[in-house]
Amino acid sequence: ETGVTQSPTHLIKTRGQQVTLRCSSQSGHNTVSWYQQALGQGPQFIFQYYREEENGRGNFPPRFSGLQFPNYSSELNVNALELDDSALYLCASSLGSGQGGEAQYFGPGTRLLVL
Amino acid sequence: GDSVTQMEGPVTLSEEAFLTINCTYTATGYPSLFWYVQYPGEGLQLLLKATKADDKGSNKGFEATYRKETTSFHLEKGSVQVSDSAVYFCALLSGGYNKLIFGAGTRLAVHP
Repeated sequence: ETGVTQSPTHLIKTRGQQVTLRCSSQSGHNTVSWYQQALGQGPQFIFQYYREEENGRGNFPPRFSGLQFPNYSSELNVNALELDDSALYLCASSLGSGQGGEAQYFGPGTRLLVL
Repeated sequence: GDSVTQMEGPVTLSEEAFLTINCTYTATGYPSLFWYVQYPGEGLQLLLKATKADDKGSNKGFEATYRKETTSFHLEKGSVQVSDSAVYFCALLSGGYNKLIFGAGTRLAVHP
């Protein structure tokens, strides 16, 4: 069974640029959630995709957007990068939309630094 | 809104000591509860979970019991090892959809 993978592992961008982060879900999982973890803090929910549709969004501006593909992999896109976007971005996959209390399994994360 | 409160760290223990990390939550309904562990430079690993009141989650010697009356999910381990040094996050699954709400995390340092 393949776990959740993310790419790239590290990324450096400058303010105003755009970035795309990628995530492959665990085999058999149809739901992907994205979280932002600032240094020394707990992860914050960005949004979730279930069967290729957005299934909930946290308190993040529209410049944070995403996609889910038919194979359930996902992308997180961030436009007009700001210094505060520097963080660890975590992808988590699960089976189902959460009604049954399913656990989420996390990838290793992408560390983004905005200069 | 839903929230999770964890005891502040760092928690520093000697090897083989007893560990308790307190976690309390505020939520509508009865959410599923989780503990995750994060080792330096890595993502989060699911440690254990409980989906209803009085459930006990357990894994690798760690345990936590879902207490509805005190809205708590404290993490315990009888004898910690140096390899348990990490940051531990308590989380709840917010009702409606699959959104995890995390506490701020508790750093554990275990010394030989």
